Amino acid sequence: DAGVTQSPTHLIKTRGQQVTLRCSPKSGHDTVSWYQQALGQGPQFIFQYYEEEERQRGNFPDRFSGHQYPNYSSELNVNALLLGDSALYLCASSRGPGNNYGYTFGSGTRLTVV
Amino acid sequence: GENVEQHPSTLSVQEGDSAVIKCTYSDSASNYFPWYKQELGKGPQLIIDIRSNVGEKKDQRIAVTLNKTAKHFSLHITETQPEDSAVYFCAASRNNAGNMLTFGGGTRLMVKP
Repeated sequence: DAGVTQSPTHLIKTRGQQVTLRCSPKSGHDTVSWYQQALGQGPQFIFQYYEEEERQRGNFPDRFSGHQYPNYSSELNVNALLLGDSALYLCASSRGPGNNYGYTFGSGTRLTVV
Repeated sequence: GENVEQHPSTLSVQEGDSAVIKCTYSDSASNYFPWYKQELGKGPQLIIDIRSNVGEKKDQRIAVTLNKTAKHFSLHITETQPEDSAVYFCAASRNNAGNMLTFGGGTRLMVKP
């Protein structure tokens, strides 16, 4: 049973560019949450998608946007990249937006902005 | 919003010793407290969790305690092994925030053989 899969694993972008990160949730899960983990820090919640809608959002600017598809996979888009956007981006999936049971993280995408 | 503080930031123990990591939280409405282990190049992996209606939970060498009055919770690892070396994160979540987690800053645990 595949867990949460994220792609790509690493990428390098130039300041000002746009990036799209992808996440496939664990089988049976329908809710996807995205987190940003800066080096040496704990993950910070960006937003959560359920039923193809953004349900909750953390303290992140509008440059961060997302999408969820009917097959529950999700994308995280970041526009106008800043050097400070360099981080590990983690996707977590669960069964339902209010269900902590089985909350599973992927291995993340390491984004470097130069 | 919720704020979670975690201490210590680094912890070095001898193999076989115990390790304790402590966290405090600010939002009295938080009711779910998971602990995650993160190894290099991997995402956080849940190792144990506790809900606010329970004071203590144990799973083999790992235990978590929760003091709701003082708003702090702790992770205890007994008989540490080199493979326990990793970064550990505590987190908190409240019922009406879906399953959004607020994480502490992490503790790097090093177990010396």
